[in-house]
Amino acid sequence: GESVGLHLPTLSVQEGDNSIINCAYSNSASDYFIWYKQESGKGPQFIIDIRSNMDKRQGQRVTVLLNKTVKHLSLQIAATQPGDSAVYFCAENMQAGTALIFGKGTTLSVSS
Amino acid sequence: DARVTQTPRHKVTEMGQEVTMRCQPILGHNTVFWYRQTMMQGLELLAYFRNRAPLDDSGMPKDRFSAEMPDATLATLKIQPSEPRDSAVYFCASGRTGTLGEKLFFGSGTQLSVL
Repeated sequence: GESVGLHLPTLSVQEGDNSIINCAYSNSASDYFIWYKQESGKGPQFIIDIRSNMDKRQGQRVTVLLNKTVKHLSLQIAATQPGDSAVYFCAENMQAGTALIFGKGTTLSVSS
Repeated sequence: DARVTQTPRHKVTEMGQEVTMRCQPILGHNTVFWYRQTMMQGLELLAYFRNRAPLDDSGMPKDRFSAEMPDATLATLKIQPSEPRDSAVYFCASGRTGTLGEKLFFGSGTQLSVL
């Protein structure tokens, strides 16, 4: 079936490094993608989103890249901080008004 | 600061008991989603509502789960009878439907343990 997945379940980085979290999706009809961050004991929190008519979108310290050719999504975090330690999920929305489908998540661990 | 409120935060119950989880969506949001999170399956969609009408509950075991929105400020997810395999964290999320995609705001979840 169609699904959203992530390449690596865990990622460990040093404070100050840049982090890249990857996600592969299989539904070429998806038109909207979101990255969420989930800290321990909390619900997922919105980080950044991107529509399928864009290749790149930047936020504060975060950048999302979308490569529709290979159906790949990535989240880049600049100057990673200990507070960035969390599980990161990508999610896709196949069309407006339908539910988000989530990938399994990547656990980011930042050491000082 | 608007947020989605879920109660209870934690629930421990015995197999066979009824469990009811409640969610207050953000005021003005017209869509409400229920997700279940486990280590093995990740975040799974159980059901969702738009303007209080159920749109999709295909992810929900129909024989024991039910979801309702009695009014715009309350969504409920009920399990009867509960089973140990229902142990998980249940999240409610709300959003505002738009043509540009749907950003969801999640509650803190209900951690359910069925013994």
